Amino acid sequence: KAGVTQTPRYLIKTRGQQVTLSCSPISGHRSVSWYQQTPGQGLQFLFEYFSETQRNKGNFPGRFSGRQFSNSRSEMNVSTLELGDSALYLCASRKAGGSYTGELFFGEGSRLTVL
Amino acid sequence: GIQVEQSPPDLILQEGANSTLRCNFSDSVNNLQWFHQNPWGQLINLFYIPSGTKQNGRLSATTVATERYSLLYISSSQTTDSGVYFCAGTGTASKLTFGTGTRLQVTL
Repeated sequence: KAGVTQTPRYLIKTRGQQVTLSCSPISGHRSVSWYQQTPGQGLQFLFEYFSETQRNKGNFPGRFSGRQFSNSRSEMNVSTLELGDSALYLCASRKAGGSYTGELFFGEGSRLTVL
Repeated sequence: GIQVEQSPPDLILQEGANSTLRCNFSDSVNNLQWFHQNPWGQLINLFYIPSGTKQNGRLSATTVATERYSLLYISSSQTTDSGVYFCAGTGTASKLTFGTGTRLQVTL
């Protein structure tokens, strides 16, 4: 079955612009979470969505936001881009339920460069 | 939140050698996973191992949840094993906390 799909794979933006990244989870998976990977900070949790509701949020400024649609697809948005937002953004999905258990599966990532 | 320590940070092996990567957690974790990050950035699932021992080919993993650590064993390493290995786990919430990774280079 198809894995987690992220689009776009690569993008270049300039400071002050905004960006929207998309994630389609594995069919049947209802939880989607987002992570940022940078050389300096490593892999950091951004947020998780389940049944269209944000269930958990990491320590990122309000410029980072997300949402989940009824078909479990998710988008994340970064407004007023800064140079430090250049990173690999990874989306992960999990079958999930009421609990927080279960294996996470990651997409190939969206590599954002801010100039 | 939980802290995750991985060791060693860097490892260089000759092809055919065996290695052990370690992951220590500051608190009890759930959903412990090991990943291999490929050169394009994708995290490839190796093991989902909250406790116990699993094996998959030349790779195996053991998690001792009561002592808050996990080990990844790579036997008869190949050049294709090169890359960064991450362990990660969740605490009481759903956020997965990653270690800083072990960068493995396997040489001929």
